[in-house]
Amino acid sequence: AQSVTQLDSQVPVFEEAPVELRCNYSSSVSVYLFWYVQYPNQGLQLLLKYLSGSTLVKGINGFEAEFNKSQTSFHLRKPSVHISDTAEYFCAVSPYSGNTGKLIFGQGTTLQVKP
Amino acid sequence: DADVTQTPRNRITKTGKRIMLECSQTKGHDRMYWYRQDPGLGLQLIYYSFDVKDINKGEISDGYSVSRQAQAKFSLSLESAIPNQTALYFCATSDSEGPGGELFFGEGSRLTVL
Repeated sequence: AQSVTQLDSQVPVFEEAPVELRCNYSSSVSVYLFWYVQYPNQGLQLLLKYLSGSTLVKGINGFEAEFNKSQTSFHLRKPSVHISDTAEYFCAVSPYSGNTGKLIFGQGTTLQVKP
Repeated sequence: DADVTQTPRNRITKTGKRIMLECSQTKGHDRMYWYRQDPGLGLQLIYYSFDVKDINKGEISDGYSVSRQAQAKFSLSLESAIPNQTALYFCATSDSEGPGGELFFGEGSRLTVL
């Protein structure tokens, strides 16, 4: 079985400051890793994903994440946030095996960007 | 128009009532999913379908049923709604046959059971 833990439920940050949203996972098998973003009153959309290869993954809107297998982490970062980045962010994993396409989501982190 | 459309967007109902949430998609994807979102819990999978004849239970299927009327339509029913089914429900689609595919979400259906 897999589980995902997002270590912060809320992250307040000032505009133009850097931010890191932390994600740890647990799995007995290899997994693919994802970050999704949910803007207010909208559905989730894919921010970035790690399937294989380089452990540093770049996504949309200037976000990037680094896969650390030894620490089973997939933290999301942005060097300078904007007001428009205010949203809820979800880390998720999908096991290599099973071919179901199911995602296991973390609890979510609310990023609050202040002017 | 949205590629994944959910109706209704908001619904208030009473305990014991039957409720249907509908999802339609224009992406042409075979795979469709119903997730439930609760504050502080993230999203949990209720049911998923790979095609019209292939429907599978997710993590929290008790109290729910689904119908895949066509490739483009996937409905979620609560036969007898109860207050702890108050939540935000999302439909999603995927065209991937493997586990690394992207999910495309609707805008959600907020259900309140009194």
